[in-house]
Amino acid sequence: GAVVSQHPSWVICKSGTSVKIECRSLDFQATTMFWYRQFPKQSLMLMATSNEGSKATYEQGVEKDKFLINHASLTLSTLTVTSAHPEDSSFYICSARREFSYEQYFGPGTRLTVT
Amino acid sequence: RKEVEQDPGPFNVPEGATVAFNCTYSNSASQSFFWYRQDCRKEPKLLMSVYSSGNEDGRFTAQLNRASQYISLLIRDSKLSDSATYLCVVNSFRGSSNTGKLIFGQGTTLQVKP
Repeated sequence: GAVVSQHPSWVICKSGTSVKIECRSLDFQATTMFWYRQFPKQSLMLMATSNEGSKATYEQGVEKDKFLINHASLTLSTLTVTSAHPEDSSFYICSARREFSYEQYFGPGTRLTVT
Repeated sequence: RKEVEQDPGPFNVPEGATVAFNCTYSNSASQSFFWYRQDCRKEPKLLMSVYSSGNEDGRFTAQLNRASQYISLLIRDSKLSDSATYLCVVNSFRGSSNTGKLIFGQGTTLQVKP
């Protein structure tokens, strides 16, 4: 199998606080993980590509200082939303890619609500 | 023009019907193609990869037409449980290099009714 977990599954936070979301590949090593955001009735938009042991690559328009990504091991990547605002409320989904494959396996997502 | 385009639907079909979804992609260098299924408020799940020769998995058949840059998904004998959003996904290229990223279409919503 190819199981990816995310924690937390949902979080409500106040404006101005920071939230950390974890993404783990449970039964395989993922040299590359991806972070997506999905607003209601829209498709997934890639935010950044996270490579183990190196800096993340951010998509155009995504603020790297606001969305901090750390990929400390072959099974864990974290996304920290800093100084969250209500417009950051969204469904954040990570995925992990097996080595030598282009298939991505998705975590269950984290629903963030900023009040 | 979007890199991956799909008809958003919704497609409302009765149980047992056959339904087809289409998708076009703009980058002729793309090599890998997938259909993902996403249920409401859930993550996308890989339904099937799409191969040049076409492939079938039970009631699902995927076809690829490279000349037309067109991908299709056919669902036969629709079940209520097939109700979901179907995402057409293509790998991303920058120039001739595969970036390893996936580009998602906006999805086609299917509602199968009893």
